[in-house]
Amino acid sequence: SAVISQKPSRDICQRGTSLTIQCQVDSQVTMMFWYRQQPGQSLTLIATANQGSEATYESGFVIDKFPISRPNLTFSTLTVSNMSPEDSSIYLCSVEGIAGETQYFGPGTRLLVL
Amino acid sequence: GESVGLHLPTLSVQEGDNSIINCAYSNSASDYFIWYKQESGKGPQFIIDIRSNMDKRQGQRVTVLLNKTVKHLSLQIAATQPGDSAVYFCAETRETSGSRLTFGEGTQLTVNP
Repeated sequence: SAVISQKPSRDICQRGTSLTIQCQVDSQVTMMFWYRQQPGQSLTLIATANQGSEATYESGFVIDKFPISRPNLTFSTLTVSNMSPEDSSIYLCSVEGIAGETQYFGPGTRLLVL
Repeated sequence: GESVGLHLPTLSVQEGDNSIINCAYSNSASDYFIWYKQESGKGPQFIIDIRSNMDKRQGQRVTVLLNKTVKHLSLQIAATQPGDSAVYFCAETRETSGSRLTFGEGTQLTVNP
């Protein structure tokens, strides 16, 4: 499986500010995804990061709040904009394996908004 | 709406016992299922998967069973070890969903020495 890294691993931010999370993969992948995991809960898909085009957002998530970039096949960023305490979560990127369907996850970015 | 859910939020077992974690799904079109293990402070780790044309698949110490009739999935861990303590998630997808995964609620497995 691909090796996936995320930066930062954790951060504490003030409300009203924005944070950009980076996801780097050690090989080219077609599909990249961003998930949110609120404290003690399961994972919820935010969006599919499309290379060369706008991300595809799931219901309840909008581009103004969670802008995503995907400049190439190994890198993506997720920005959490105008943060509030409700944005405190783990943010995870994932990639689809070579064989398709199976997704592998990065270590996550733990965000606390004060 | 569609959902993938777990029967029990927590499971406590003795070291050496076998563990069974259950998952129910609601979408009969689901055709691919994955079990993930998430240890504290880490991202989900792939354990095992199964396609809908199978009813059983075995890995090292783990077995996944799929009952499409009742839309039920289970993960069996043999000879559970303290290192198996984690939260376990089932996830499902289907060919028409563009690889998007829907996750269950998660079960916290605690292995007592």
